[in-house]
Amino acid sequence: QSALTQPASVSGSPGQSITISCTGTSSDVGRYNYVSWYQQHPGKAPKLIIYDVNNRPSGVSHRFSGSKSGNTASLTISGLQAEDEADYHCSSYTSGSTRYVFGSGTKVIVL
Amino acid sequence: QGQLVQSGAQVKKPGASVEVSCKASGYTFTSYYIHWVRQAPGQGLEWMGIINPRGGGTSYTQKFQGRVTMTGDTSTSTVYMELSSLRSEDTAVYYCVYAHSGSYFLEVWGQGTTVTVSS
Repeated sequence: QSALTQPASVSGSPGQSITISCTGTSSDVGRYNYVSWYQQHPGKAPKLIIYDVNNRPSGVSHRFSGSKSGNTASLTISGLQAEDEADYHCSSYTSGSTRYVFGSGTKVIVL
Repeated sequence: QGQLVQSGAQVKKPGASVEVSCKASGYTFTSYYIHWVRQAPGQGLEWMGIINPRGGGTSYTQKFQGRVTMTGDTSTSTVYMELSSLRSEDTAVYYCVYAHSGSYFLEVWGQGTTVTVSS
């Protein structure tokens, strides 16, 4: 069972915006501004798309944005495109021996 | 941006050990930590531990303590992850990932190594 809670799937039509939630606790998401998001296409390794809640690495589309409120972080994909169909994993830094916790992943379906 | 290239898929019997290698290139090996993350079939990601190639210091999540060993070789810019006493639940894709020592995110991922544990 994953430490962070994500919806199993989110769907949207091309051009629409969708938001994926990631709920943790006051020990991880709520305590640190170290939430990151990873995109994973089938059979591929994850790719960093958001770090430190709302920062995009160089080369990542501006259509991806992140935010956080309390114990819940969110990833928004605007102007949804067919290539955005993938699994999205959230992660948070946490205290203790397990430094990083992940969500179970959300499958984004482009209708 | 650097690159991490991992060793190939392996099949192991329960109780055996497996070693996965991860060779770094395109960046200063000792300036970035290497994390190991695994993903069981159809499941989410699971953080296993971290090694600082400069000095070899490690930290493992409690779940794997006593079963996992991470080592590094600065002469070849390669890190290794050994997992012992394998059981079927260890069947997964294992990823190495580098991250700057001052960051809290996993920056560049290796391609992954499939480890299958089966009798």
